[in-house]
Amino acid sequence: GENVEQHPSTLSVQEGDSAVIKCTYSDSASNYFPWYKQELGKGPQLIIDIRSNVGEKKDQRIAVTLNKTAKHFSLHITETQPEDSAVYFCAARMDSSYKLIFGSGTRLLVRP
Amino acid sequence: NAGVTQTPKFRVLKTGQSMTLLCAQDMNHEYMYWYRQDPGMGLRLIHYSVGEGTTAKGEVPDGYNVSRLKKQNFLLGLESAAPSQTSVYFCASSYEIGETQYFGPGTRLLVL
Repeated sequence: GENVEQHPSTLSVQEGDSAVIKCTYSDSASNYFPWYKQELGKGPQLIIDIRSNVGEKKDQRIAVTLNKTAKHFSLHITETQPEDSAVYFCAARMDSSYKLIFGSGTRLLVRP
Repeated sequence: NAGVTQTPKFRVLKTGQSMTLLCAQDMNHEYMYWYRQDPGMGLRLIHYSVGEGTTAKGEVPDGYNVSRLKKQNFLLGLESAAPSQTSVYFCASSYEIGETQYFGPGTRLLVL
């Protein structure tokens, strides 16, 4: 079945630096890749997503890239701020499937 | 709009006790989901619903039952709680199947 691996499990960066989180997926039929941010004590919230017909998508300081050949996608956060500190989850979904398969999460700490 | 709400926020059960977790959404979404979140394992789908009166099994359905009597509500039941069900439970809803999911704040359950 579908599997999503996420790295690193923890990431600490200095405020203003960039952060990169990487995910790989196993099923080449996957076509939708969302990223969720989970702040302490809250539920996950979608921050950006990408579909398989697009290689890159940006939204202000956040960008996601997708390499279908290698079956991996990455989240890039530039000019990090303390409020970016949270747990980030990647996920993958096959076409017309109900199911999102989540990665195990990355705890990002942005040091002031 | 309140979005997705969950009750209770926290509960302690003894092994063998039963309880029901309530999820409500006010976005008129057809699709609703129950996940459990365990350390280092991301989010795993327990059950989901594609509309009022329908339910289906996800990845880890054993030990849980669900009901969707009203479109806005999705109930998760534990008939005989076990320590392995200690977890944080999240409900989510979406407008289209597998698309952007809106999560509730979670219910933290401890089974002793």
